[in-house]
Amino acid sequence: GQNIDQPTEMTATEGAIVQINCTYQTSGFNGLFWYQQHAGEAPTFLSYNVLDGLEEKGRFSSFLSRSKGYSYLLLKELQMKDSASYLCAVMDSNYQLIWGAGTKLIIKP
Amino acid sequence: DVKVTQSSRYLVKRTGEKVFLECVQDMDHENMFWYRQDPGLGLRLIYFSYDVKMKEKGDIPEGYSVSREKKERFSLILESASTNQTSMYLCASSLAVLETGELFFGEGSRLTVL
Repeated sequence: GQNIDQPTEMTATEGAIVQINCTYQTSGFNGLFWYQQHAGEAPTFLSYNVLDGLEEKGRFSSFLSRSKGYSYLLLKELQMKDSASYLCAVMDSNYQLIWGAGTKLIIKP
Repeated sequence: DVKVTQSSRYLVKRTGEKVFLECVQDMDHENMFWYRQDPGLGLRLIYFSYDVKMKEKGDIPEGYSVSREKKERFSLILESASTNQTSMYLCASSLAVLETGELFFGEGSRLTVL
């Protein structure tokens, strides 16, 4: 079966760095996506990785290792507004998105 | 700005009622999707559409149907609502999923079936 695993919840301190991991087992691979979802709001697109390596976008970076079936989202200089759920999704060989259950990130002052 | 609008943020319905969830996008996107989101589970795809009058079943289509009569509008229909359909329903659209997978989501419709 297809499976995306990510931690259920993480806590970090304002100003610090946090890494949210995502491991996957899917039928084929056509890219990995990260979305951010604030409580009660719609998910919004953060990043897309299809090749191995690190993609940096401001305070957020996303890393992919296809051989290990592994990705992480790195958030630097954490702000209170970064408190949200972070969803990992993989596009399989049929170009369908398989979603993880999401990681709820709690930022403390 | 890209916008996906869902007609109702909160609905309460009785078992057996017919429920319509409407979704409209203003970006001229080809692709539209209906997901449900439940605690502890990833988003699950109910139905999707790549063109007007076209529809494809997702992972959990049972108990649902859809309609896409116009490019900008994608409706989800629960013919006879049941309590296990209590959930958050998210509509999404994209220009070209095959290229970037960037989906634009609506705010969601939280449905409670009593």
